[in-house]
Amino acid sequence: DGGITQSPKYLFRKEGQNVTLSCEQNLNHDAMYWYRQDPGQGLRLIYYSQIVNDFQKGDIAEGYSVSREKKESFPLTVTSAQKNPTAFYLCASSILVLEPQHFGDGTRLSIL
Amino acid sequence: AQTVTQSQPEMSVQEAETVTLSCTYDTSESDYYLFWYKQPPSRQMILVIRQEAYKQQNATENRFSVNFQKAAKSFSLKISDSQLGDAAMYFCAYSGYGNKLVFGAGTILRVKS
Repeated sequence: DGGITQSPKYLFRKEGQNVTLSCEQNLNHDAMYWYRQDPGQGLRLIYYSQIVNDFQKGDIAEGYSVSREKKESFPLTVTSAQKNPTAFYLCASSILVLEPQHFGDGTRLSIL
Repeated sequence: AQTVTQSQPEMSVQEAETVTLSCTYDTSESDYYLFWYKQPPSRQMILVIRQEAYKQQNATENRFSVNFQKAAKSFSLKISDSQLGDAAMYFCAYSGYGNKLVFGAGTILRVKS
């Protein structure tokens, strides 16, 4: 079955540490996205990529970095510069141009 | 910048009854899509229904339908014959140029048996 796989499901970060969240899709979608969800709130866009080797900042990119070396993969690194990283992170993908986004099951990141 | 507003933080409905969730948005774009997503306790994001802005006919998916008022920038979701499995957080979302989704803050729907 085609879909989006996020790993790990739960992740803990120590102070000053960078951590990387994985997102893989086998839907052959061109575009991929990362969102952050805080308790009781909607999703906010961190980064998005419409094509391999290209990505753009979303609304809350500070403290995060991404890469898009392969069409299937769009990892998100939460750097030590992100002072409040505790949140639920969702990855999504879509065929380009106004098509619905399909979401992974998410990763919950917490601070130790 | 586009914004999406959901003015109802929480709604309740009796099983088998009908409930309407409200959503308004602001945009200067003429071509866009609107979506309703459902997020159950599992935190999975599930697409419920979508509406293309250029279509005047309201979208319908089984028990779910929308009332799309383009001039008023309103996009409400009606759930008919509510079921216990409909209990979830519902998000209204806008997608325009660049296919970036802008989400509302969400409405928690509780279904009473």
